[in-house]
Amino acid sequence: EIVMTQSPATLSVSPGVRGTLSCRASQSVTTNLAWYQQKHGQAPRLLIYGASTRATGVPARFSGSGSGTEFTLTISSLESEDFAVYYCQQYHNGLTFGGGTKVEIK
Amino acid sequence: QVQLQESGPGLVKPSGTLSLTCIVSGGSINSHYWSWIRQPPGKALEWIGYIHHSGSTNYNPSLHSRVTISVDTSKTQFYLRLSSVTAADTAAYYCARGGVAGNYYKAVGRFYYSSYMDVWGKGTRVTVSS
Repeated sequence: EIVMTQSPATLSVSPGVRGTLSCRASQSVTTNLAWYQQKHGQAPRLLIYGASTRATGVPARFSGSGSGTEFTLTISSLESEDFAVYYCQQYHNGLTFGGGTKVEIK
Repeated sequence: QVQLQESGPGLVKPSGTLSLTCIVSGGSINSHYWSWIRQPPGKALEWIGYIHHSGSTNYNPSLHSRVTISVDTSKTQFYLRLSSVTAADTAAYYCARGGVAGNYYKAVGRFYYSSYMDVWGKGTRVTVSS
């Protein structure tokens, strides 16, 4: 099983600041990597697939990068609605999620 | 606009079987792969398995022995059955649609498809307790 590790567990940032979230795979997943946003009490929402392709309707301040085992989700300027938990997920071999990064207001 | 809606009992007794239904509306079930994902309280997401409209399935190896996913295309519904449940199966259960730009991989002598999930149901909470 491919293990996905996200860091940091919690990211404390102020609105308007750039946020950078990391995701590492235990083996190469090439670019078969997705990112999701989950707000409290809600279902996850797809943000990025193919490591860097924004899903329909996702604001341009969200961007994904990386390939192989190292991936990054960047939120260029955090807005109030962006404070949530973010998960990465690989679909290269099977399907596994990372443990999540909580983005909270500093 | 495809929408998904989970339904089923909110309480299941230990050693019993958890049964959930996902209704697909606003689109065809005769395309895409359809998944079940769960999330224990305060924990991360866990993929349970998926089904294709043809009936082919793929399950999380850690749950494989207890999971059955089926589909009824005439009703545009798919289903989850999880047997021999314990308190560790208490979670929010989500159904979701697999995206079309996924990946084919080979395992145990056959090819499987895996993907991101581009449409999610709102989820249903299931508690395992006597």
